[in-house]
Amino acid sequence: DAGVIQSPRHEVTEMGQEVTLRCKPISGHDYLFWYRQTMMRGLELLIYFNNNVPIDDSGMPEDRFSAKMPNASFSTLKIQPSEPRDSAVYFCASAAETSGETQYFGPGTRLLVL
Amino acid sequence: GEDVEQSLFLSVREGDSSVINCTYTDSSSTYLYWYKQEPGAGLQLLTYIFSNMDMKQDQRLTVLLNKKDKHLSLRIADTQTGDSAIYFCAESFPRGADGLTFGKGTHLIIQP
Repeated sequence: DAGVIQSPRHEVTEMGQEVTLRCKPISGHDYLFWYRQTMMRGLELLIYFNNNVPIDDSGMPEDRFSAKMPNASFSTLKIQPSEPRDSAVYFCASAAETSGETQYFGPGTRLLVL
Repeated sequence: GEDVEQSLFLSVREGDSSVINCTYTDSSSTYLYWYKQEPGAGLQLLTYIFSNMDMKQDQRLTVLLNKKDKHLSLRIADTQTGDSAIYFCAESFPRGADGLTFGKGTHLIIQP
């Protein structure tokens, strides 16, 4: 398996623009997680899905952030409008209940909002 | 509350053992994990331990869990330059797939 795939790997945008981050989980995994990593706050869980249904979005910082999982092989994290403080590395991870629920991470998307 | 604490830096000589420590606060943690992050890369799962175990060994890696003191450690034997990275301790509860709480990470620095 190719592992968790994220795109784009790098994104530079201007404040106020919409940003869409994409994730393809490992095939067969039924959990998908979005994390954000910053120097100040470390790694934070934003939201996670089970069988395409959002289970816990309490980590989503504001209404500007939204996440969807239209099917088992694709998820998006959208920021609209983006702000400089959203600059971070955004990781997607997936897990399977049948394999001990261990989470496997994608390579991350480095977002810079100017 | 959920909180995972780690030292920010650890410096060891090449060939020595590295011991990275972590404390957590939630006694209901189910799984405890160690992830490795190399510069510019994502998180790589190194190993994990179920909360009813006290030790797990995997080649050069040894994980020790003291549930009474809520203390987790990762020992890397014969540390190599390729081990230079940030090591994250993480806990999950009540089930492994309910999201992870991470420590801030320990930067492992290898001296020649």
